[in-house]
Amino acid sequence: EAGVTQSPTHLIKTRGQQVTLRCSPISGHTSVYWYQQALGLGLQFLLWYDEGEERNRGNFPPRFSGRQFPNYSSELNVNALELEDSALYLCASTYGRTSYEQYFGPGTRLTVT
Amino acid sequence: KQEVTQIPAALSVPEGENLVLNCSFTDSAIYNLQWFRQDPGKGLTSLLLIQSSQREQTSGRLNASLDKSSGRSTLYIAASQPGDSATYLCAVDNMDSNYQLIWGAGTKLIIKP
Repeated sequence: EAGVTQSPTHLIKTRGQQVTLRCSPISGHTSVYWYQQALGLGLQFLLWYDEGEERNRGNFPPRFSGRQFPNYSSELNVNALELEDSALYLCASTYGRTSYEQYFGPGTRLTVT
Repeated sequence: KQEVTQIPAALSVPEGENLVLNCSFTDSAIYNLQWFRQDPGKGLTSLLLIQSSQREQTSGRLNASLDKSSGRSTLYIAASQPGDSATYLCAVDNMDSNYQLIWGAGTKLIIKP
């Protein structure tokens, strides 16, 4: 069974640009979570999608947004990139809107110059 | 507000030793607690999930315990190996956080051959 996949693996952007990161959950999982892990910092919760709807949002500005598609895959969009957006972006999936084990993808390393 | 603390921040031990990593949390109203492993620059691997009604979980050389009343969890690693070197993170699923995991900062473990 395939795990959570993310694309791209690495990305380099310049300040002010926009970026889209993609995540495919484990087959059968309906919930997708996005996290940011900046260098030297802990994981920061970004967004949670379940059944196509945004269910919860962390303390990030509106330029961080996303969506979940009917096949439960998800996109994270970041507009007007800033240097401090440089981080590892992790996606996780679970089965349903209950307290189950989260399974993580390998992450997308975003560098903003 | 739930806070999760992991002590120590870093630990270096010789190969073969048994060791304990600690995780403490301030609010006992949790659904579960999860231990993860993260290799440098990589995603997270789920190690063990303990439901709030459980006292411990075991997987191979790993044993995780949970004492909700005292707000503590420990991850016991038996007969440590160099391949166990990684950062270990704990996260709690808080009852009032709308399924948002609350994360510790992690313990960086180095096993010396």
